[in-house]
Amino acid sequence: DQQVKQNSPSLSVQEGRISILNCDYTNSMFDYFLWYKKYPAEGPTFLISISSIKDKNEDGRFTVFLNKSAKHLSLHIVPSQPGDSAVYFCAASARASGGSYIPTFGRGTSLIVHP
Amino acid sequence: ETGVTQSPTHLIKTRGQQVTLRCSSQSGHNTVSWYQQALGQGPQFIFQYYREEENGRGNFPPRFSGLQFPNYSSELNVNALELDDSALYLCASSHTSGMYNEQFFGPGTRLTVL
Repeated sequence: DQQVKQNSPSLSVQEGRISILNCDYTNSMFDYFLWYKKYPAEGPTFLISISSIKDKNEDGRFTVFLNKSAKHLSLHIVPSQPGDSAVYFCAASARASGGSYIPTFGRGTSLIVHP
Repeated sequence: ETGVTQSPTHLIKTRGQQVTLRCSSQSGHNTVSWYQQALGQGPQFIFQYYREEENGRGNFPPRFSGLQFPNYSSELNVNALELDDSALYLCASSHTSGMYNEQFFGPGTRLTVL
């Protein structure tokens, strides 16, 4: 049973427009959320995060929104650039029994930004 | 600052064999996690080590084992390989195992089991 779902396998956007990537989760114990970006032949790279005490976090062109009641988060990229073309993974963390935080990843959304 | 490195890049094994994958953590990081990423899936957590002790484990059988060394490099060992073990294996290091543990990933080892 997938606890973190990215229901859109792919997204195509024109350069300069907004990209919105969505993520849903089912475990109410998740309290820290992260987005990673992955280029081919590279490992995922941390992009932005948000804790459950916030509903928005911005970093330059990237903004993450968290709606706890809906168990939904989204990543907005404005304006989108061709270099943003990559696979984006949503991840959610909860405190495990040993005290560590273990992220659970979604399946990813492949973003293509057309020039 | 040196990033996370993994070796080998690619590996081909046959069913029933054993394999050891290696990871060198980013400088200053005391926590390392291993993930399995099957084609079309997200990374799936195998286990995590903090200061040489396993402090978290995902839903993987005991034939998946690991080690973390005093210099914070680590190994993933898989015994009795099965065809379904074919995947990209990712290592990630972080400066903490706590909440704000943004992880730095290596490029992965692509394992093919025939």
